[in-house]
Amino acid sequence: DGGITQSPKYLFRKEGQNVTLSCEQNLNHDAMYWYRQDPGQGLRLIYYSQIVNDFQKGDIAEGYSVSREKKESFPLTVTSAQKNPTAFYLCASSATSGSSYEQYFGPGTRLTVT
Amino acid sequence: SQQGEEDPQALSIQEGENATMNCSYKTSINNLQWYRQNSGRGLVHLILIRSNEREKHSGRLRVTLDTSKKSSSLLITASRAADTASYFCATKLISVYNQGGKLIFGQGTELSVKP
Repeated sequence: DGGITQSPKYLFRKEGQNVTLSCEQNLNHDAMYWYRQDPGQGLRLIYYSQIVNDFQKGDIAEGYSVSREKKESFPLTVTSAQKNPTAFYLCASSATSGSSYEQYFGPGTRLTVT
Repeated sequence: SQQGEEDPQALSIQEGENATMNCSYKTSINNLQWYRQNSGRGLVHLILIRSNEREKHSGRLRVTLDTSKKSSSLLITASRAADTASYFCATKLISVYNQGGKLIFGQGTELSVKP
């Protein structure tokens, strides 16, 4: 059963703690993406990776970090430097060959920091 | 920065009516895609239209693209209560170095279909 998994679905943390969100895909996609979505808003790109061991900052990378050590995995760390971390986080992946770049999304992780 | 602007922000219709959502963008694109998001879930790809296409159909969905006006519309015909969701357009820019598969998403249209 191919797809993208994100865990956990809900995550609660105290202010000042770092937290890592998991994203795994078995679609054999080269590219992976992290987005942040706030209530009633669109998606804002945090980081993306087109290939293993390489990633680029998106529009709102400050306070976040990522790694891409394996093709299947693209974990996102929300650091204590992120001023307003409470949000819904979405991971996606896509192929990079061809011209469509249709993205496949995981179910999301809702992070609440108090 | 967000390239896509969607209109309306919210739309409420009765079951059986048609729903039309619009998306405008600023720079030249390779393709434009529409996604659906049910509340609290991930996005699901609906349909893609390439820059050299003007209209595309998929089931009850019809997408048009006007590159001269830099705009697209998504029409859902004979809507159902199950179509209630947020709908997002996303643009794939003309290939830019090292941008790969990056898409730029609009703010979305929240569609409510009342039974």
